[in-house]
Amino acid sequence: AQTVTQSQPEMSVQEAETVTLSCTYDTSESDYYLFWYKQPPSRQMILVIRQEAYKQQNATENRFSVNFQKAAKSFSLKISDSQLGDAAMYFCAYRSGNSNSGYALNFGKGTSLLVTP
Amino acid sequence: NAGVTQTPKFQVLKTGQSMTLQCAQDMNHEYMSWYRQDPGMGLRLIHYSVGAGITDQGEVPNGYNVSRSTTEDFPLRLLSAAPSQTSVYFCASSARGNEQFFGPGTRLTVL
Repeated sequence: AQTVTQSQPEMSVQEAETVTLSCTYDTSESDYYLFWYKQPPSRQMILVIRQEAYKQQNATENRFSVNFQKAAKSFSLKISDSQLGDAAMYFCAYRSGNSNSGYALNFGKGTSLLVTP
Repeated sequence: NAGVTQTPKFQVLKTGQSMTLQCAQDMNHEYMSWYRQDPGMGLRLIHYSVGAGITDQGEVPNGYNVSRSTTEDFPLRLLSAAPSQTSVYFCASSARGNEQFFGPGTRLTVL
């Protein structure tokens, strides 16, 4: 079974600064996808960014980017120019490329991000 | 499109009661899943479905039943609620190979 580990239960960043959230995973599969989800207090799950394992280029979405190290099985999220609205719980998630898995997600335990003015 | 809808939003049960959490999607997605979220545990997979009539167990299936008679609906049944099932429940759906879309969640308390 695939496991996802987020070693930082809580992180803090000042507004306009940059913060990096860590995630490692364990898998023997070659076809998989990795995701970062944001969960604000409303508890809605919001997709932040996705990375296909077969792509070497790191994914970027505006102020959000990832550092995908496939050999090290590491998938960190960098948030640049942090804003108060970025405060939330962030989850790293793994998804198999095998349709028999139902494309269901394995989640890490989450990192709570606090943004201070 | 309404996306993924879940009802109810909140529910309080007594130990031993049964209930069904409803989940529906209007995106014609083949794949649907149920997760539970507990403090400090992230989201854990309960059951999933790869199409109408096909379901399978996830990481924490005990105490829950599912069925998928239509593409749109994927209800989650608690046959005899226990305090350990107090949690927030999320339903999600996806098309083949694409991202999962999540419902707004149901907060369940079992006394």
